[in-house]
Amino acid sequence: EAQVTQNPRYLITVTGKKLTVTCSQNMNHEYMSWYRQDPGLGLRQIYYSMNVEVTDKGDVPEGYKVSRKEKRNFPLILESPSPNQTSLYFCASSLSGTATQAQHFGDGTRLSIL
Amino acid sequence: AQSVTQLGSHVSVSEGALVLLRCNYSSSVPPYLFWYVQYPNQGLQLLLKYTTGATLVKGINGFEAEFKKSETSFHLTKPSAHMSDAAEYFCAVSESDSWGKLQFGAGTQVVVTP
Repeated sequence: EAQVTQNPRYLITVTGKKLTVTCSQNMNHEYMSWYRQDPGLGLRQIYYSMNVEVTDKGDVPEGYKVSRKEKRNFPLILESPSPNQTSLYFCASSLSGTATQAQHFGDGTRLSIL
Repeated sequence: AQSVTQLGSHVSVSEGALVLLRCNYSSSVPPYLFWYVQYPNQGLQLLLKYTTGATLVKGINGFEAEFKKSETSFHLTKPSAHMSDAAEYFCAVSESDSWGKLQFGAGTQVVVTP
């Protein structure tokens, strides 16, 4: 089954404790992206990747890091999480990233930073 | 730069009644428009998209949307609401020169009453 898999689905942690949210897709997609969803703001893009070793900032990249060492994986790293990063996070992918392509989304990761 | 406005953060409809969700966009170039649906505890799923050609677009689950360039709108409709349509709906826009970058509206929560 074609899917985007995120782990963990839920995480409660404390300020300053480094964490990684993993994202993996099995569709051989070149383009992957991370979003955060906050009430009343919709989804905002954090980082995206056009292909292996190619990443770029989205609209809200501060406090986040990403890497793309393999085509299928695109982890999101919070090196020193803060309470304002409490949010619902989604990973998405599309075949090549062109503007006409729909994106496939994972089921989300709910992060709570205390 | 593109932007999206969804009118109404919450909409309540009776089962069997018309569903109408409004979306207006701004874009400096011809836009590509998408509607996504998010069911509780799930990721976003594509309902339909407009890229070029016919301005009335049909999607899954009986939904359709019409692109009206003169009104910069892409409203989503369904003739008869079903209980299973209760979800959050997001309108999104991308531009031809914005590889993979989706700009989302704030979302509209749909409640269906018996």
